[in-house]
Amino acid sequence: QVQLQESGPGLVKPSQTLSLTCTVSGGSISSGGYYWSWIRQHPGKGLEWIGYIYYSGTTYYNPSLKSRVTISVDTSKNQFSLKLSSVTAADTAVYYCARGVIGPRGSYDYWGQGTLVTVSS
Amino acid sequence: SSELTQDPAVSVALGQTVRITCQGDSLRSYYASWYQQKPGQAPVLVIYGKNNRPSGIPDRFSGSSSGNTASLTITGAQAEDEADYYCNSRDSSGNHLGVFGGGTKLTVL
Repeated sequence: QVQLQESGPGLVKPSQTLSLTCTVSGGSISSGGYYWSWIRQHPGKGLEWIGYIYYSGTTYYNPSLKSRVTISVDTSKNQFSLKLSSVTAADTAVYYCARGVIGPRGSYDYWGQGTLVTVSS
Repeated sequence: SSELTQDPAVSVALGQTVRITCQGDSLRSYYASWYQQKPGQAPVLVIYGKNNRPSGIPDRFSGSSSGNTASLTITGAQAEDEADYYCNSRDSSGNHLGVFGGGTKLTVL
């Protein structure tokens, strides 16, 4: 059973960089066939795709966030990470990591529990 | 604005059938996947591909598609099905699973 777990600070100051890590267990990031993804949800709102990374390091980002987002992978630790720079209160959200299945039947089949990040001074 | 459009809220009587829809141009070419989210919990995949259910998802959940509309049908809705439901599919480039619908709040009466 694949499990994902987000970790990182729950409070970030405005203009600073939000950093989160997702640890994957029960499966290898290097196995291929999946996009390792970050998705967020503003309080009381819907889901917003941030971006994802393939185990090789190839990344894809939401165009609306692209200038501020970096997603990286550490296959030795079976982890992938999110950095979002120059944050504002509008970046306050629950951040989820998820596994995206590559292919015509693509979907997000496993999700972390989510972590609330609040941007406030 | 989202490229996938969902009705904000739908209600169904206990034991009856309900259809939740998702509209978008990309659905003419690509499958939608559907997620159930209960308060304070992470989304859970309930339908993917043409009409596939992950292990553990009851068979009262089914999916279909016609033209630019994908549908999630719950046949014999149960109280525990009350939740938010989101569709997801590829963006207009067709390259990424980067678009979610705005979500539908399902109330079971």
